Amino acid sequence: GIQVEQSPPDLILQEGANSTLRCNFSDSVNNLQWFHQNPWGQLINLFYIPSGTKQNGRLSATTVATERYSLLYISSSQTTDSGVYFCAVEVWTDKLIFGTGTRLQVFP
Amino acid sequence: NAGVTQTPKFQVLKTGQSMTLQCAQDMNHEYMSWYRQDPGMGLRLIHYSVGAGITDQGEVPNGYNVSRSTTEDFPLRLLSAAPSQTSVYFCASSYQVDPANEQFFGPGTRLTVL
Repeated sequence: GIQVEQSPPDLILQEGANSTLRCNFSDSVNNLQWFHQNPWGQLINLFYIPSGTKQNGRLSATTVATERYSLLYISSSQTTDSGVYFCAVEVWTDKLIFGTGTRLQVFP
Repeated sequence: NAGVTQTPKFQVLKTGQSMTLQCAQDMNHEYMSWYRQDPGMGLRLIHYSVGAGITDQGEVPNGYNVSRSTTEDFPLRLLSAAPSQTSVYFCASSYQVDPANEQFFGPGTRLTVL
């Protein structure tokens, strides 16, 4: 099956710093999504981005489908950005496969 | 709208016991799914449903059963609980069959099997 790898596994930032999270996948996909899991466990959909670039406030994402990777950019990080960021992909099967996540800690 | 609700929030079982985790959504979503999340890992798909009366297996279906008799409800049954099933379970739904639509997640059920 498809492999979904995320890097780095852990990231520690000071408030105000920028960061880039990466998601590599081993096969062509028809769907890629980014999720944020907050410290209380709640999962929130950030982006649906099978290709191209999208922005939402301080967050933006880019997927280069031909090279099988996606990037999530966080600018001017805040403590509320802390949590785990997951990418998830679908390969024409109605099944969403998650990566292992990047744990982000933002300190004041 | 209540969104996606899950009950119970916490549960402790003994090995061999059975139980049902409840999931309901009030958004008239066709697609519903169950995931488990183990410590330090991503979510793994257990079972999913593309509509009432239709279910299919995900990545890790063994030891779990599901049914979808209504659009709103998608219960997950553990037939004979094992310690390996200790995990946090999430239910999710989306509007259309293709999970390309935004997924809405429930708050999770934390299950411990002794």
